[in-house]
Amino acid sequence: DIQMTQSPSTLSASVGDRVTITCRASQSIRSWLAWYQQKPGKAPKLLIYDASSLESGVPSRFSGSGSGTEFTLTISSLQPDDFATYYCQQYNSYSQTFGQGTKVEIK
Amino acid sequence: QVQLVQSGAEVKKPGASVKVSCKASGYNFSGYFIHWVRQAPGQGLVWLGWINPNSGGTKYAQQFQGRVTMTRDTSISTAYMELSSLRSDDTAVYYCARDGALLGYCTTTRCHTNGLNWFDPWGQGTLVTVSS
Repeated sequence: DIQMTQSPSTLSASVGDRVTITCRASQSIRSWLAWYQQKPGKAPKLLIYDASSLESGVPSRFSGSGSGTEFTLTISSLQPDDFATYYCQQYNSYSQTFGQGTKVEIK
Repeated sequence: QVQLVQSGAEVKKPGASVKVSCKASGYNFSGYFIHWVRQAPGQGLVWLGWINPNSGGTKYAQQFQGRVTMTRDTSISTAYMELSSLRSDDTAVYYCARDGALLGYCTTTRCHTNGLNWFDPWGQGTLVTVSS
């Protein structure tokens, strides 16, 4: 299985900060990567698919980039509703695998 | 709107089986794979497999082969995931999720036929607790 590694594991930031989360794949996954946001006790919510396509209804402050083995999720100006855990997921090959998550905390 | 509603929490003893349901509404149930993903307490997300509601075909993650069975009832737009020989480390929230693309839909870069996609939306989750 392809291993997905996110960094950092935890990130402390303030409202208004620009935040970047990195996801690295153990082998090339082309652009077949999604990003999800999960809040405590809730199901994950899709933010980005195909590495850079913004899901309908998701605020434009979220953006994704990258291809091959290195990807980033950027929040241009962190809002109070954005404090959550973020996961990347590769769907290049089976088994589809997720990163271990990045928790964005209030600084 | 597109919605997946799962069955309620379960408590099972080691060695038993559990069957979780996932009722879909707001779209053509047969047109999208349904995936199952689990999350142990405080842990990350693990994909278990998918079912093609149209054909009933399935694909399971290797680590769950032989223990997981996915089925569907198209008459009531419901998918099921049964996990057998339960162990304490199967304690988790189990989610169903719809595949991100219409089955057979083709873009300039790919055709969506194999269940390798993002997941959207997700069900609310079902907590399965395995304890003696």
